[in-house]
Amino acid sequence: EADIYQTPRYLVIGTGKKITLECSQTMGHDKMYWYQQDPGMELHLIHYSYGVNSTEKGDLSSESTVSRIRTEHFPLTLESARPSHTSQYLCASSDPGFEQYFGPGTRLTVT
Amino acid sequence: LAKTTQPISMDSYEGQEVNITCSHNNIATNDYITWYQQFPSQGPRFIIQGYKTKVTNEVASLFIPADRKSSTLSLPRVSLSDTAVYYCLVGGNQGGKLIFGQGTELSVKP
Repeated sequence: EADIYQTPRYLVIGTGKKITLECSQTMGHDKMYWYQQDPGMELHLIHYSYGVNSTEKGDLSSESTVSRIRTEHFPLTLESARPSHTSQYLCASSDPGFEQYFGPGTRLTVT
Repeated sequence: LAKTTQPISMDSYEGQEVNITCSHNNIATNDYITWYQQFPSQGPRFIIQGYKTKVTNEVASLFIPADRKSSTLSLPRVSLSDTAVYYCLVGGNQGGKLIFGQGTELSVKP
């Protein structure tokens, strides 16, 4: 089993609040990713990182930001949450091969 | 990354073999074909990966014809717990971005 963790698993928060979704992995993977997925819809890549101090935007535009100060940690921040940010956020990491390991996800609801 | 096309949904019954075909006409020479499985409210999980011919593991087989423009995921004797969305992805085997399409929603009935 892959060791990749996300907290919180569920979050309900009011509009305008700043939030940080945590993602950590203990596998020493250099590559990490954030995906956004609405219920019943496909996954969209919103951020990725190929190593410490490396971050790139994904294929879906997102108002969130990420940082990669440590190999094992890849947090995602929303400075001012809005109802349109309501979604499931999935974090993943990959080894030098092609397989990505996904965390359990954070289901965010912005009221 | 090559675009993939797969059926939106499929139905099956317990104990049957299920074959899900994916088209990837623009696959590049160094691209691998990978399949993921996703249950509701969970992250996708790697099932199998191949480059050509046939690959088999403990849960599935992957058939890739010589031209590699399509691939077929075969699930032997499905059970209710195989109800999930199955994604076909194509890309280089050096790690990196994955582009998920809509996937195939497999429903296994008793």
